[in-house]
Amino acid sequence: AQSVSQHNHHVILSEAASLELGCNYSYGGTVNLFWYVQYPGQHLQLLLKYFSGDPLVKGIKGFEAEFIKSKFSFNLRKPSVQWSDTAEYFCAAMEYNQGGKLIFGQGTELSVKP
Amino acid sequence: KAGVTQTPRYLIKTRGQQVTLSCSPISGHRSVSWYQQTPGQGLQFLFEYFSETQRNKGNFPGRFSGRQFSNSRSEMNVSTLELGDSALYLCASSLHLGQPQHFGDGTRLSIL
Repeated sequence: AQSVSQHNHHVILSEAASLELGCNYSYGGTVNLFWYVQYPGQHLQLLLKYFSGDPLVKGIKGFEAEFIKSKFSFNLRKPSVQWSDTAEYFCAAMEYNQGGKLIFGQGTELSVKP
Repeated sequence: KAGVTQTPRYLIKTRGQQVTLSCSPISGHRSVSWYQQTPGQGLQFLFEYFSETQRNKGNFPGRFSGRQFSNSRSEMNVSTLELGDSALYLCASSLHLGQPQHFGDGTRLSIL
């Protein structure tokens, strides 16, 4: 079955630390991949997306993600986190050309200590 | 540009009742999807509509239904409510099928 798994349930970092959140998907065919962020009390916002082309994609607020097809992974990175990055992060996959059904990972809660 | 608007924001119902949730997509967006978010199951896809037709459906019982109107607005209906239906129901819209989705704030449904 199609699924998305995120390795970390809760990550705690100090400001200026580097961040990497793992995401793996299991799909047989071509997928579009997304990272969404949910700040406390706010709606889900799109951080970045991968459809095709350069496997290293850059998103908003200094985030980037790398698509590694051989590893079925789409890890999210940020070189230096800020307290304002405290939020829940969701990885999601959409099977190519099969409409807009998003399959989400369980989410990773990131807490950044000032 | 206004975002995705969901009404109402909060709802309290009792078991056995039915409920209708509403979603107005971003202007110009023609695809609307619905998701259920719970602490235990996370974010789960309910269904997707485009041009007033259901294009995709998740693994939810038939008590969950939806529709889309000609102006792309969508409604979701849950009949014979159960305690387990307590959740945050999210609506998302996109320009077209398969495009990045923009989410609303959700409707928090509590079943007593």
